[in-house]
Amino acid sequence: DTGVSQDPRHKITKRGQNVTFRCDPISEHNRLYWYRQTLGQGPEFLTYFQNEAQLEKSRLLSDRFSAERPKGSFSTLEIQRTEQGDSAMYLCASSRQMNTEAFFGQGTRLTVV
Amino acid sequence: GENVGLHLPTLSVQEGDNSIINCAYSNSASDYFIWYKQESGKGPQFIIDIRSNMDKRQGQRVTVLLNKTVKHLSLQIAATQPGDSAVYFCAEDPQGSGNTGKLIFGQGTTLQVKP
Repeated sequence: DTGVSQDPRHKITKRGQNVTFRCDPISEHNRLYWYRQTLGQGPEFLTYFQNEAQLEKSRLLSDRFSAERPKGSFSTLEIQRTEQGDSAMYLCASSRQMNTEAFFGQGTRLTVV
Repeated sequence: GENVGLHLPTLSVQEGDNSIINCAYSNSASDYFIWYKQESGKGPQFIIDIRSNMDKRQGQRVTVLLNKTVKHLSLQIAATQPGDSAVYFCAEDPQGSGNTGKLIFGQGTTLQVKP
């Protein structure tokens, strides 16, 4: 499978705990995006990287959220001190640098109890 | 502000009929639009895109129409099949460059195909 891969697919955590998600983009794609999707809504942009540089962050990305892409390949999204409102599907997408056709992974569904 | 939305939350069609899913956007500067299909439990799947220098683009069984005058986008699916049942999202690039990757999604239309 050469698509975008996300791990884990599901995560249940207690409020206040930290969680980390991983995304492996399509190998030749320079750009990597994180989106969040709640039930019945469209995905909301969180942040994106071009290679290892984080170029834009949404105001939705509070101080408890941090994303990294240290070597310009895989990326991690960490949420500290999780809250129930963080429960959502976290989607990762990647695209070639000059092509905005973004391919999405299957997402990580986070449930905060 | 930016707003991308769909006119109908649910569309029900008979298998074999054509489907038309509509989308309205409010950002006049947007010049790149994409339609995605999302099945339950899966990530959005790219269907077709269009840039503002075009008003129509065709793919396999799908056609996207763009009317910049009224800021309206539509997705037409020919000979709808049960496998087309999903939620369909339109998305726009609000920066207008078509090269940021930051997309604004609408709320989605659920397409139900009746056998």
